[in-house]
Amino acid sequence: SYVLTQPPSVSVAPGQTARITCGGNNLGSKRVHWYQQRPGQAPVLVVFDDKDRPSGIPERFSGSNSGNTATLTISGAEAGDEADYYCQVWDPTTDQVFGTGTTVTVV
Amino acid sequence: QITLKESGPTLVKPTQTLTLTCTFSGFSLSTSGVSVGWIRQPPGKALEWLALIYWDDDKRYSPSLNTRLTITKDTSKNQVVLTMTNMDPVDTGTYYCAYKRNAASSYFDKWGLGTLVVVSS
Repeated sequence: SYVLTQPPSVSVAPGQTARITCGGNNLGSKRVHWYQQRPGQAPVLVVFDDKDRPSGIPERFSGSNSGNTATLTISGAEAGDEADYYCQVWDPTTDQVFGTGTTVTVV
Repeated sequence: QITLKESGPTLVKPTQTLTLTCTFSGFSLSTSGVSVGWIRQPPGKALEWLALIYWDDDKRYSPSLNTRLTITKDTSKNQVVLTMTNMDPVDTGTYYCAYKRNAASSYFDKWGLGTLVVVSS
């Protein structure tokens, strides 16, 4: 089965840049999507197809994907960005696959 | 406006069968390309995809849970039902249903608020 690996936690100072990685075999050949899950809430799509943002998502959220690693970048981090973030792809053998999740702390 | 809402029992006993219903609005499961999926999340753990049903009744299941899951749809009622057999305490968690707008996309555009299921005797 296909596995997506994320760092358990990332810390960032307010106003600085947070980078969350998602690793998988030949990940660059797949479309990677990212979800934000604030405490006690349902996930919300923040980036799809590697780098596109749904309407209403701030430009501070951006994505990239190459080789074996995809990255979600949060520029100018705010307190409201504190949340868990999950990457997700489709794989022909496993279908939908979610990453292990990363907790972002703004301190 | 697209909304989804999960419903079902809060508490189930081990070995019982869980039945969850996702009631949605703002789209139709008879529209080409549309699908609805189920994803769960044990307390403090990561998201885990369970099942997906497409507008044409094509169904996909998590390989690790395939033998325990059944997903069905009732287009006239705007509902999707997930059944999971032989429930175990490790199945405790929040269960979400989510909407995918077309078959070409692999991301979930909109999620329900989720429903907590506790498996305990």
